[in-house]
Amino acid sequence: GAVVSQHPSWVICKSGTSVKIECRSLDFQATTMFWYRQFPKQSLMLMATSNEGSKATYEQGVEKDKFLINHASLTLSTLTVTSAHPEDSSFYICSAAALTSGRAYTQYFGPGTRLTVL
Amino acid sequence: ILNVEQSPQSLHVQEGDSTNFTCSFPSSNFYALHWYRWETAKSPEALFVMTLNGDEKKKGRISATLNTKEGYSYLYIKGSQPEDSATYLCASTRAGNNRKLIWGLGTSLAVNP
Repeated sequence: GAVVSQHPSWVICKSGTSVKIECRSLDFQATTMFWYRQFPKQSLMLMATSNEGSKATYEQGVEKDKFLINHASLTLSTLTVTSAHPEDSSFYICSAAALTSGRAYTQYFGPGTRLTVL
Repeated sequence: ILNVEQSPQSLHVQEGDSTNFTCSFPSSNFYALHWYRWETAKSPEALFVMTLNGDEKKKGRISATLNTKEGYSYLYIKGSQPEDSATYLCASTRAGNNRKLIWGLGTSLAVNP
């Protein structure tokens, strides 16, 4: 159980184009999903918290107009990188939160998306 | 402590050795402590979540303990195997925002056959 899929697994695009990444919880419903970015040799950097039916909460320094998040259902959140530039090239990974251990939420991660902007 | 800190940063052990890592976290407004294993080219895998002071969890050869009063958790691996090689991440959550993980930088474990 608790499987999260992410699509695409990798994408190469031209500078100026937009890229959409999908994150799906396959066997559970997730009111909250998270989008992370990983820089080389660094840990996970939280970009935003995606809440079903409401606006996403962005971390400081993350441009909300640049990284559009939509969480339209309990099993799907999307991240759109708008007008992508080479500096947006990175590994993007999502997670979906599920209640475990009585009161704590565990995050289950997707396999990630490698974005390369030429 | 304001952030989640892990030590050591990296560790090399021989197959069969037992090892342990430390995670320090802010004890104020503590809600839960999570351990994840992240293998190369895979997604982070949830190992344990602990909420109460004195909690101990075990999964096969891996176990973890929690001290919320002093703000630390230990992860133990008994009889390390090459397949245990991974980065072990801990993360805490705080009361008031119990879904948002505050991550440590991880301990990278390499087990030599």
